[in-house]
Amino acid sequence: DTGVSQDPRHKITKRGQNVTFRCDPISEHNRLYWYRQTLGQGPEFLTYFQNEAQLEKSRLLSDRFSAERPKGSFSTLEIQRTEQGDSAMYLCASSRQGAGVNEQFFGPGTRLTVL
Amino acid sequence: DAKTTQPTSMDCAEGRAANLPCNHSTISGNEYVYWYRQIHSQGPQYIIHGLKNNETNEMASLIITEDRKSSTLILPHATLRDTAVYYCIVRANSGGGADGLTFGKGTHLIIQP
Repeated sequence: DTGVSQDPRHKITKRGQNVTFRCDPISEHNRLYWYRQTLGQGPEFLTYFQNEAQLEKSRLLSDRFSAERPKGSFSTLEIQRTEQGDSAMYLCASSRQGAGVNEQFFGPGTRLTVL
Repeated sequence: DAKTTQPTSMDCAEGRAANLPCNHSTISGNEYVYWYRQIHSQGPQYIIHGLKNNETNEMASLIITEDRKSSTLILPHATLRDTAVYYCIVRANSGGGADGLTFGKGTHLIIQP
């Protein structure tokens, strides 16, 4: 257990429905990241927050995806009008800002299946 | 970030040293070499990183060649719990490491009993 938690661990939904995932980072970490991982591939970066500010978004993050971190603590990732291609593991990671290299601590992920 | 090349899979006997290679021939002077691993059904886990000197911690050793074009992650006494996908990542440390990590497909290391 890294200290990063994600909820739910599994989500099954029908195409066209909206889903929301939550990530709770390690409490003293001000940086939070979202990644997506499909079967047989490494994780792909989606977006990054420093405190409550969303500072970077990958081109993978389509208009149907939105992420928030309203108080600089937990974060939510919402997918609207889900498609079958959204089926993947969604991973959250956190790190602490500081001089030099920042190790990222990953949560267990939320596995999304879109039927 | 520079591209990395890793073997798709490797086997190692339990108790032996596991040596995982990574090629990063286009690495630039300010880029670090990171290693993460991902055990089945878990999120990735940081192992070690280095710039040009060899590094060792409680999990592994990292050997970087003098020209920095390749590196080797060494697990000195592999156990069955070390079976995982190992990712070699090369990235600059500008901004204090704030950027997202770029994972490839990694090496699937299987420890045989």
